[in-house]
Amino acid sequence: GAVVSQHPSRVICKSGTSVKIECRSLDFQATTMFWYRQFPKQSLMLMATSNEGSKATYEQGVEKDKFLINHASLTLSTLTVTSAHPEDSSFYICSAPPKSDTQYFGPGTRLTVL
Amino acid sequence: GESVGLHLPTLSVQEGDNSIINCAYSNSASDYFIWYKQESGKGPQFIIDIRSNMDKRQGQRVTVLLNKTVKHLSLQIAATQPGDSAVYFCAENTWGGYNKLIFGAGTRLAVHP
Repeated sequence: GAVVSQHPSRVICKSGTSVKIECRSLDFQATTMFWYRQFPKQSLMLMATSNEGSKATYEQGVEKDKFLINHASLTLSTLTVTSAHPEDSSFYICSAPPKSDTQYFGPGTRLTVL
Repeated sequence: GESVGLHLPTLSVQEGDNSIINCAYSNSASDYFIWYKQESGKGPQFIIDIRSNMDKRQGQRVTVLLNKTVKHLSLQIAATQPGDSAVYFCAENTWGGYNKLIFGAGTRLAVHP
């Protein structure tokens, strides 16, 4: 199946700092990628849709100025958590569709904000 | 701090038994459904998918059933193995122009030897 990678896999940062998470499609091009957040023992919640060459589309309740998304190329999308606070601590996962429907997920990034 | 997590429903089965995991989806207009398996600390892994013009689809050891009348989806795993222990999520493709997936709450499958 298609491979999606994320970096870093884990990050610990101090409150108030910004953290960048990368999502790459390794063997296919993706004009669209998706960012999810998952709290412990909960399901995945879609945060935003990353579009190559245009602005990201954010889900209701997700602050676009706090979660900056840049889809720099057909194989790379980045999520930057700005001015992170402890409540932003979560598991962030990206996905990309190699075909029109099926989405393949990255391994996730565990963010801990102290 | 972290949000208080919901307790995922757990299905406990004996190794070798068949498992059935159920899911109720929300949007009657959804036309594509996927089952994912998520192991602890990892991203979801694609298992099997089904389109709304089908009511059954089989893979290797897995079968997905779709009942559009009651908006219900199930995943059947034959001869369940310890390696099948994970959280299973159903997802529906709600077309909003961006091919968005909406995930169900998830079910934890615990396989006992």
